[in-house]
Amino acid sequence: KQEVTQIPAALSVPEGENLVLNCSFTDSAIYNLQWFRQDPGKGLTSLLLIQSSQREQTSGRLNASLDKSSGRSTLYIAASQPGDSATYLCAVGGSNDYKLSFGAGTTVTVRA
Amino acid sequence: EADIYQTPRYLVIGTGKKITLECSQTMGHDKMYWYQQDPGMELHLIHYSYGVNSTEKGDLSSESTVSRIRTEHFPLTLESARPSHTSQYLCASSDGGRAGANVLTFGAGSRLTVL
Repeated sequence: KQEVTQIPAALSVPEGENLVLNCSFTDSAIYNLQWFRQDPGKGLTSLLLIQSSQREQTSGRLNASLDKSSGRSTLYIAASQPGDSATYLCAVGGSNDYKLSFGAGTTVTVRA
Repeated sequence: EADIYQTPRYLVIGTGKKITLECSQTMGHDKMYWYQQDPGMELHLIHYSYGVNSTEKGDLSSESTVSRIRTEHFPLTLESARPSHTSQYLCASSDGGRAGANVLTFGAGSRLTVL
């Protein structure tokens, strides 16, 4: 059974600092990996999707890397802003089924 | 505008009541999912559907049931609510391929409290 772990559970940084969020998974036989953002009391918004054959994806200030062999992905957010405050979740798509396995998330607070 | 809608957003109800959480999407997606999320915890898949008249149980055992009579509609029902059912329920949909191959679109969630 795929286990997805996100460390740290919470992170507080001053505005302008770069953010580094980590995600690890136990089964490297993945189809892809997604990073989501969740605001309090809201649903999830997809940020980046990395296919298993890719090493990274970029969207604006966001960059996600994937090292399938070591079971790790990292989400980088450059020049953080207070609006980046949210919970960031990592989800792994299995290679044998249609389901996603989620981590518990990292809650980010960017202080103005 | 294509979207996925969940109602009610918040529900407080007494033990033993029957409840239905509604989920509708306007994108024509074949695949729909229900996830359960407790505060600070992972999302757990409780039900999914690959199309009309197709429903499957997810990884987390749940006393709820679902139906998929129309493509756009995927309601979740609890016949007799209990305090252990208190949680946030998130509905999602995706278009074709595998769940992760295409971007999942999530609803805003239904937060259920059973007293």
